[in-house]
Amino acid sequence: EVQLVESGGGLVQPGGSLRLSCEASGFTFSRHAMSWVRQAPGKGLEWVSGISGSGGSTDYADSVKGRFTISRDNSKNTLYLQVNSLRADDTAVYYCVNGGSYYPLDYWGQGTLVTVSS
Amino acid sequence: DIQMTQSPSSLSASVGDRVTITCRASESISSYLNWYQQKPGKAPKLLIYTASSLQSGVPSRFSGSGSGTDFTLTISSLQPEDFATYYCQQSYSTPPITFGQGTRLEIK
Repeated sequence: EVQLVESGGGLVQPGGSLRLSCEASGFTFSRHAMSWVRQAPGKGLEWVSGISGSGGSTDYADSVKGRFTISRDNSKNTLYLQVNSLRADDTAVYYCVNGGSYYPLDYWGQGTLVTVSS
Repeated sequence: DIQMTQSPSSLSASVGDRVTITCRASESISSYLNWYQQKPGKAPKLLIYTASSLQSGVPSRFSGSGSGTDFTLTISSLQPEDFATYYCQQSYSTPPITFGQGTRLEIK
């Protein structure tokens, strides 16, 4: 059974940083592209970032480029999202998702809430 | 970036109804169109991929069609558990992956 378990969310002040983690199990992690998708309260889905299976290729939404960094440790089956220079409009549930690029987003974690507020 | 537009934004229907949701892309995306269902407080769930392929475990009352710029998601006979928000998403021209704004399906 595929499982994606996010952690690392919380309340942070504007300008602050967090590191989100996603532990994966139930599939060969290193063979799969992974993505982060976020959802602001009461809003729709927004793709944030994606990474290839090897980690050698990364992409970002314009809204987070230069502030967020996606990475993965295939030896630990873990995906990361380093989020810096946080703004109020970054407040959202952040989902770790299996898939990306040309592939459907076929498995989703339960999400971790990031709240940016003073 | 490719823009995805869903219609309607919200829809009221009754159990047993046939429901169709439309998604239009701002340019051709071939068949690289996926549909997701999201219930309140839950993560989205993949229903349909590449426009018409049913994800494993998804009931056969769900179907998808279309290619190019115009796509539809059809639920042949609404069940109580189908009341949710539905999103389309293109995976043809990335980055970025883009989603429609969502269609909220409510009980009449």
